[in-house]
Amino acid sequence: NAGVMQNPRHLVRRRGQEARLRCSPMKGHSHVYWYRQLPEEGLKFMVYLQKENIIDESGMPKERFSAEFPKEGPSILRIQQVVRGDSAAYFCASSIGTGAIQPQHFGDGTRLSIL
Amino acid sequence: GQQLNQSPQSMFIQEGEDVSMNCTSSSIFNTWLWYKQDPGEGPVLLIALYKAGELTSNGRLTAQFGITRKDSFLNISASIPSDVGIYFCAGHALYNTDKLIFGTGTRLQVFP
Repeated sequence: NAGVMQNPRHLVRRRGQEARLRCSPMKGHSHVYWYRQLPEEGLKFMVYLQKENIIDESGMPKERFSAEFPKEGPSILRIQQVVRGDSAAYFCASSIGTGAIQPQHFGDGTRLSIL
Repeated sequence: GQQLNQSPQSMFIQEGEDVSMNCTSSSIFNTWLWYKQDPGEGPVLLIALYKAGELTSNGRLTAQFGITRKDSFLNISASIPSDVGIYFCAGHALYNTDKLIFGTGTRLQVFP
């Protein structure tokens, strides 16, 4: 399967714990995007990364949220000290390049539930 | 954050009927994309549009990039049960091609 791979598919955490979401982009793609989706809503941009660099994090909360895309390995979205409002589906997308002509392809998401 | 206005919010149609949905923005977009999302899955790209006025087909799906660059339309002809799902428009705003801005979605239900 050469698609965008996200894991885990479902993640349950208690308030105050940390959540780590992983994303492996499509083969040959070096651009990764994270989006968040609440029930009955569209996806909202969080952060855009290239290998080892954060390019645009304008949609990511300043506190408790961080993202990385190391030289080796998957991209990680980390949420510290989770709260109930963090419950959502988190989607990763990747593209071969940036800009308007490079379509983003999505993984199947991680559904995060906070108890 | 900015979202695109998508209409209708939901549609209930009979198998074989044609479907039309649209998406509008208050600002100019460089690209328009249409995705379909099934329950529990990620959005799947259906059609990508890159030029104002462009009309592109993918099987029974046809989408157009509006001339004003502020809207787009998706048509589905001769609907079938597997067309059920949520359809999202998305696009890159003129001066920010990094992130996709998504519409609010059109939920399509097809009855046999």
